[in-house]
Amino acid sequence: EVQLVESGGGLVQPGGSLRLSCAASGFIVSSNHMSWVRQAPGKELEWVSIIYSDGQTSYADSVMGRFTISRDNFKNTLNLQVSSLRDEDTAVYYCAIWGHSTWSLEYWGQGTLVTVSS
Amino acid sequence: DIQMTQSPSSLSASVGDRITITCRASQTIDTFLNWYQQKPGKAPKLLIYSASSLQGGVPSRFSGSGSGTDFTLTISGLQPEDFATFFCQQSYTTPWTFGQGTKVEI
Repeated sequence: EVQLVESGGGLVQPGGSLRLSCAASGFIVSSNHMSWVRQAPGKELEWVSIIYSDGQTSYADSVMGRFTISRDNFKNTLNLQVSSLRDEDTAVYYCAIWGHSTWSLEYWGQGTLVTVSS
Repeated sequence: DIQMTQSPSSLSASVGDRITITCRASQTIDTFLNWYQQKPGKAPKLLIYSASSLQGGVPSRFSGSGSGTDFTLTISGLQPEDFATFFCQQSYTTPWTFGQGTKVEI
């Protein structure tokens, strides 16, 4: 069974950093395209980043240069290093599998909340 | 970026109703359109991909149609567990973008 469990969220001051992780089971992270999506409280979903199975990455303009997506093949984990955080980065961050054939976000984790506040 | 606009933002319906939600893209996206359902406090769930393909395990009362810029999600015979917020999303080009959501309430 495919399972995604995010962790690493919390309260952080503006300008601070966090490392979000997404532990995967039931599939191999490095063989799949993996993405992060966030949702600010009461707002719509916003795509953040993707790492393709070949290792190429892409980011939303709003996080370019501040966020870094990566994967740990040994731990079968997806990571998102978030830095230079701003108030507007406050959101629930979800990891998800981007389906090779469906070209959609097929499976999602339950999310981890990042709150940026002084 | 491609803008996705959903309508209505919310709607009230009853069990057994047939409802339709529309999604319009700011430019043509072929059939690179997906629909998700989200319940309060939960992660979104994929319902429809490529505009009209039903994701495995999703009930057949859900259906999608459209191509180019205009798309619809239809639920035929609304069930109590269907009351949720629905989002469309384009996967034509990055940045992938979502509609603002349609909340379906009793």
